Amino acid sequence: EAGVAQSPRYKIIEKRQSVAFWCNPISGHATLYWYQQILGQGPKLLIQFQNNGVVDDSQLPKDRFSAERLKGVDSTLKIQPAKLEDSAVYLCASSSLGANTGELFFGEGSRLTVL
Amino acid sequence: AQSVTQLDSQVPVFEEAPVELRCNYSSSVSVYLFWYVQYPNQGLQLLLKYLSGSTLVKGINGFEAEFNKSQTSFHLRKPSVHISDTAEYFCAVSYNAGNMLTFGGGTRLMVKP
Repeated sequence: EAGVAQSPRYKIIEKRQSVAFWCNPISGHATLYWYQQILGQGPKLLIQFQNNGVVDDSQLPKDRFSAERLKGVDSTLKIQPAKLEDSAVYLCASSSLGANTGELFFGEGSRLTVL
Repeated sequence: AQSVTQLDSQVPVFEEAPVELRCNYSSSVSVYLFWYVQYPNQGLQLLLKYLSGSTLVKGINGFEAEFNKSQTSFHLRKPSVHISDTAEYFCAVSYNAGNMLTFGGGTRLMVKP
């Protein structure tokens, strides 16, 4: 079974530029999450999708971050314009609807450096 | 607001020694508890989980954890660590059936030869 795929693995940009990250979850997983992991900290949830609907985006900085999952499968997270404090690893995770086991399957992450 | 506290940011230990990584959470309701491990440059993977039933939970790679409701703790233990256990360990809690996890700050386990 293929895991959660993310790209790019690494991205370096200057502040005020834009960047986009892509995630393809495990086949059949209805729930998709984007987490932000700043160096030395635990992952922080940015947004949770169930199919193509948003379940929770309360911690997403909506003035600069946006995310979509138009067809209920893969997802894109965009940052525009980027700030220095956005330097982090962006983790995508997925889980199956109704499993109620709490297990999330994570991708390897996309490491963003903002200069 | 839900929160998870991992009291130790780093735990150095010699190979074959026992180890305990501490985790406390804030809650007055039922919770699901998890430990995830993150090896360098990799994503997180599930070590073990507590959903209900026996408070002693066994996971992969010889790890186990004990749920203590009165102390709101879920400490992770291993009786004898290996060099390959060197990684970052995250405790996480879920308060609902929606699988949304809140993570602690992580504990870096450093196993020395």
